[in-house]
Amino acid sequence: QSVLTQPPSASGTPGQRVTISCSGSSSNIGSNTVNWYQQLPGTAPKLLIYNKSQRPSGVPDRFSGSKSGTSASLAISGLQSEDEADYYCAAWDGSLTGYVFGSGTKVTVL
Amino acid sequence: EVLLLESGGGLVQPGGSLRLSCAASGFTFINFAMSWVRQAPGKGLEWVSTISGSGGTTYYADSVKGRFTISRDNSKNTQFLQMNSLRAEDTAIYYCAKDHGAVAGYYFDYWGQGTLVTVSS
Repeated sequence: QSVLTQPPSASGTPGQRVTISCSGSSSNIGSNTVNWYQQLPGTAPKLLIYNKSQRPSGVPDRFSGSKSGTSASLAISGLQSEDEADYYCAAWDGSLTGYVFGSGTKVTVL
Repeated sequence: EVLLLESGGGLVQPGGSLRLSCAASGFTFINFAMSWVRQAPGKGLEWVSTISGSGGTTYYADSVKGRFTISRDNSKNTQFLQMNSLRAEDTAIYYCAKDHGAVAGYYFDYWGQGTLVTVSS
């Protein structure tokens, strides 16, 4: 069982907005940076969002992140077929002294 | 361009050992912590271990503590994961990941392509 809680799946039609939640605790999301990774089918994970809402160079601005207390969210606006992937939230956990991941959310474009 | 190239994966019997390597290029290796993250077949990501840039501090997931040892050779821009007493549940793709800072606690900004470890008799 993952320390961070994510819904197993999310879906939308092209152009729609999809939101993925990530729930944690005061020892991880509540006190450390929350980050999101995208894993396209058959490939290695890639950093998508860091420090709650920052995008690395090359990540489209339709991806956005937010955080409130011990929870975080990833939003995909203007959903595109190439956004079909697994999305993971992650953070450092000060109590466990290690990184923790969410269980992942599979996004399907209908 | 940052490149991380893992090697050393393969088939090993339960109770056996394996040593993974990750050769890094494209950044000043000693300035950044390095990590290993694994993914069992059809499962999610699981953090395994992190080592600071200097090599002086290491962290392990409870699932591997006492069996796995992370290390690095800053003169060769390479990190390692020595895996002993391997179990079937250690079967996974092992990814090498570069941390954002010299110490743990930030995020993984670059990932390798992974190396498959299969533990089976």
